[in-house]
Formats: sequence, structure tokens, C-alpha cells
Amino acid sequence: DQQVKQNSPSLSVQEGRISILNCDYTNSMFDYFLWYKKYPAEGPTFLISISSIKDKNEDGRFTVFLNKSAKHLSLHIVPSQPGDSAVYFCAASDRRGGATNKLIFGTGTLLAVQP
Amino acid sequence: NAGVTQTPKFQVLKTGQSMTLQCAQDMNHEYMSWYRQDPGMGLRLIHYSVGAGITDQGEVPNGYNVSRSTTEDFPLRLLSAAPSQTSVYFCASSYSLGRGEQYFGPGTRLTVT
Repeated sequence: DQQVKQNSPSLSVQEGRISILNCDYTNSMFDYFLWYKKYPAEGPTFLISISSIKDKNEDGRFTVFLNKSAKHLSLHIVPSQPGDSAVYFCAASDRRGGATNKLIFGTGTLLAVQP
Repeated sequence: NAGVTQTPKFQVLKTGQSMTLQCAQDMNHEYMSWYRQDPGMGLRLIHYSVGAGITDQGEVPNGYNVSRSTTEDFPLRLLSAAPSQTSVYFCASSYSLGRGEQYFGPGTRLTVT
């Protein structure tokens, strides 16, 4: 049972345009969400996070939006750059009832930014 | 800081062999964890530790053992390797409990024949 879903395995956008990566979750107990970026042959690197008490968090070109009622979050990258080409993983955590930092990951979306 | 380091980078095992994947971090992080990444499956948590001497199981613990005798080290042991354990293994650490941001190592690619 996939609790965190990324239904688009891949996405291709033109340099300078907006990239929108989507993520859905089923567990209403999740209260903290993160995006990781992964290049081939490297470990994932943390990109941006959002707590369930917020609906938006921004860091430079990256913005994460959270819609709790729809159990949906999205990552916007504006403007997209060729160096953004990577696999993006959405992850979720339930931090209540004991802080274990356990993350549940989605299956990832491969973003290709065309020059 | 070296961050999170993993050894070896690549390993080929025969079915039934045992081995230990090493993970170390020099950031004095309390929380450490092991994930495996398989095509179409994302990253799945194998085992985790909230501090020295404390470990617990994740989503897919069968066939793996861990121990945490020091803050810095968190080795993952495969007791009797099986082809289903062919995967890329990532170790991660986090500064404190309650913060989800984790720092990942570069990974170990394991093939079991």
C-alpha cells in the first residue's frame, strides 16, 4: 500500500519555464513533508520541506504547496534550469506520538530540463 | 566534515554469503537510518536508530541486522544474501529527532547472484 504517490514517472520542460512536480499521500497523520533531489550515482539531497501548519514554503526558485484537504503537495521550480534535471522524491513523516524521523518516500519523478 | 560516508561503493555477492555495509557520519547526529532503492519503488526504510544502543525496524527489515554501538557508526549486516537483496543501499542521518531533514550518503550498489 503506497502511502506516498508520485504518479508522473517523468516530466520534461523547457529551460526558463516552470516545472511542477506533484505528490499525493493517503495517511492523514503525516504532518511534515519534504522534497529530495537525486542525481545519478549520488545520494538524495534535501531540497525543501513544509509543515502541515503551513500551506506554502518558498526557498529561492523552489516553492512547495500543501493542500491538506486534498492530501496533495506540489513542488514548483521557477525558472527551470538544465542543472535541475534529476529525480525528485517526495517524502512524508508523522512526527506526533514519538519523534522517530521515519520518512515514507514516493517513487520519484525524473525531471528533464531541455536547454 | 565528510558528512555521511558509505563503504563499499560496489559489491557483488553470491547467494548465501554474508557481508556488512559500513556507514559513518561525523556530524554528531542522533538519528541514523538505512534505506534501499529499487526501480519503481522509491526508497524504503530498512532499519533506523534514534541513538547509540537503540535500533528499530523500518518497512523492510527481513534479512538485515543493525547495531549502533557509537553515535558515528551504523553498519548494516546481510546475514545470508539473496538475489532479492540486489539494490542500492543508502545510509542517512539527521541532527535531531523531530526534524525530518536527513543527510544521505552516496550509496552502495549491491548485486547478489
